[in-house]
Amino acid sequence: KQEVTQIPAALSVPEGENLVLNCSFTDSAIYNLQWFRQDPGKGLTSLLLIQSSQREQTSGRLNASLDKSSGRSTLYIAASQPGDSATYLCAVRGPIGTGKLIFGQGTTLQVKP
Amino acid sequence: DTEVTQTPKHLVMGMTNKKSLKCEQHMGHRAMYWYKQKAKKPPELMFVYSYEKLSINESVPSRFSPECPNSSLLNLHLHALQPEDSALYLCASSLRPPLAEGHNEQFFGPGTRLTVL
Repeated sequence: KQEVTQIPAALSVPEGENLVLNCSFTDSAIYNLQWFRQDPGKGLTSLLLIQSSQREQTSGRLNASLDKSSGRSTLYIAASQPGDSATYLCAVRGPIGTGKLIFGQGTTLQVKP
Repeated sequence: DTEVTQTPKHLVMGMTNKKSLKCEQHMGHRAMYWYKQKAKKPPELMFVYSYEKLSINESVPSRFSPECPNSSLLNLHLHALQPEDSALYLCASSLRPPLAEGHNEQFFGPGTRLTVL
């Protein structure tokens, strides 16, 4: 059974700092991994999707990497801003069972001005 | 149009009421999803429609009844809910069904905040 873990559960950093959010998964048989952002009480915004054949994806100040063999993904945020404060969720989709997204518990990020 | 819309944004209902949540997308996506999210928890999948047919029901109680009238529209009919059903209900869509290989990003709507009294 696929399990997804995100550590730490919460993170507080000063503005301008570069930071890394971690996501690990137990079964390397995945189609892809998706990173989302969620503001309090709002829906999920898709940030990046990495296919199983890819090593990384970049969008603006965000860079996501994927190491299937070790069951790990990282989301790198460069030059953090207060507007980056949100909960970040990673989710994997696999070929086994229903192919549904399996979510981690999320990392809540606070960027202080 | 590259978004998923949901109405209403907020809904308060009594345990004897019947109400419906609505979700719409015009991206030509052929899979649509309902998720339930409790506070400080990740979303939990409820239902998946693939090509307008129910393909996944995650053992959801019958007081939740999904409907997919066409490829752009997804409804969730609510009846005789319990206070513990209060949550944020999220709709999502993807170009292809969950088990399809390849790039298949899920896009989420803003959600409906449901309170059951």
